[in-house]
Amino acid sequence: GQNIDQPTEMTATEGAIVQINCTYQTSGFNGLFWYQQHAGEAPTFLSYNVLDGLEEKGRFSSFLSRSKGYSYLLLKELQMKDSASYLCAVRVYNAGNNRKLIWGLGTSLAVNP
Amino acid sequence: SAVISQKPSRDICQRGTSLTIQCQVDSQVTMMFWYRQQPGQSLTLIATANQGSEATYESGFVIDKFPISRPNLTFSTLTVSNMSPEDSSIYLCSVKNGLAGGPGSSYEQYFGPGTRLTVT
Repeated sequence: GQNIDQPTEMTATEGAIVQINCTYQTSGFNGLFWYQQHAGEAPTFLSYNVLDGLEEKGRFSSFLSRSKGYSYLLLKELQMKDSASYLCAVRVYNAGNNRKLIWGLGTSLAVNP
Repeated sequence: SAVISQKPSRDICQRGTSLTIQCQVDSQVTMMFWYRQQPGQSLTLIATANQGSEATYESGFVIDKFPISRPNLTFSTLTVSNMSPEDSSIYLCSVKNGLAGGPGSSYEQYFGPGTRLTVT
C-alpha cells in the first residue's frame, strides 16, 4: 500500500531553524510536495522535489532521497506566522497511468516567541 | 497562479439531503480535483473532474454518492448526496495550473478555500 509518515506535532522558537521529516513507502513515485496549511485555510504550495538533493526557496528548503524514501522541509529564521500544519504529499502513478497525490496527515508546527 | 473560489463556504445540512458545491477558477486548467479533509485526517482525493466526460473516482467513492460535473475548463461542481453525519467534512476543489503543453507550472496544484459541511 501507499504510506506517508510525518511527525504529528513540533514546537520551535522564533528565529530558530526547524526540520520536518517525511518518510514514504509508495509505488510509482513521481515527485514529492510540501504544502503549508494554516488553520481553517486551504493548503498552499511550498516546494516540489523529483530528483535527489536540496531545493532552496528563500527561508524554506526541501530535501529528497528517493533511495531512502525520505524528505525533509527545513524552515529557517522562524517567524510566528510559520505556525501552521505542513503536509507532505507524494505523487504517484496509479493503475490507469494517471498521477495523483497521496497525502500525509501533516505536522502541526507551533512557533513560540 | 490560479485563483479559485468555492460556494458555499460553509453549510449546515440535514441528514438525507444533498448539497452541491461549486468551484470556479479564473483561468482555464486541465485538471480539476475534489478532495475531502475530515478532522484529524489527511487530504483524501474523491475524484478527478474531467471536462466533457465522466469523473474518475478514487477507491471508496462512487458517482451516485458524489456526482461531479465539469462543463468547461474553469468550472466544476461536486454534489454530496443523501448526506449523513459521516459526510461532515471540508471539501476542497483543487486545480493543476496551465494547459497541456502551454506556459505555467506543470506540477503546482492550487486549492480553493474549501467548503465546510456539517450534517446534522
